[in-house]
Amino acid sequence: EAQVTQNPRYLITVTGKKLTVTCSQNMNHEYMSWYRQDPGLGLRQIYYSMNVEVTDKGDVPEGYKVSRKEKRNFPLILESPSPNQTSLYFCASSLSMGYNSPLHFGNGTRLTVT
Amino acid sequence: SQKIEQNSEALNIQEGKTATLTCNYTNYSPAYLQWYRQDPGRGPVFLLLIRENEKEKRKERLKVTFDTTLKQSLFHITASQPADSATYLCAPRDNYGQNFVFGPGTRLSVLP
Repeated sequence: EAQVTQNPRYLITVTGKKLTVTCSQNMNHEYMSWYRQDPGLGLRQIYYSMNVEVTDKGDVPEGYKVSRKEKRNFPLILESPSPNQTSLYFCASSLSMGYNSPLHFGNGTRLTVT
Repeated sequence: SQKIEQNSEALNIQEGKTATLTCNYTNYSPAYLQWYRQDPGRGPVFLLLIRENEKEKRKERLKVTFDTTLKQSLFHITASQPADSATYLCAPRDNYGQNFVFGPGTRLSVLP
């Protein structure tokens, strides 16, 4: 089944403890992206990747890192999480950046930083 | 700066009626516009795409219009059902932007 898989679904951690949220897609998509969603603020893009070894900042990249060593994986790294990074995170992918390439989203990771 | 607005945060309608959701954008020249549905706690799911040279697009009970003069897209659900209750997001896109930006969404509730 074609899908975007994120892990974990739920994560509670403490301030400053490094964590990684994994994202994997099995559709051979070139484009991958991370979003966070907060009440009243909607979906905001953190980082995106046009292809392997190509990443770029979205609208809210501070406090996050990403890497794209393989086409299928796009992990999100929080080196030193803070409470303001408590949010619902989504990974998404699309075949390309072309107009007829919709985004496919994972089921989300709900992160709580205490 | 670029801005995307969706008519209201929440919309309640009676089952069987037509729901109309609005997406307005400023400081954008989108070549196309996508609509997504999001259920609580789940990732958005793509519904429809309309290009700037298309006035209207239909898919089953869904209809989308795109008016580049008004800088607006309308999303209609005819014969609405309680199962249509969800948040609907619009995403205008130009041919050059590499970041994929969404509107804030409208939460639709279809009452039985």
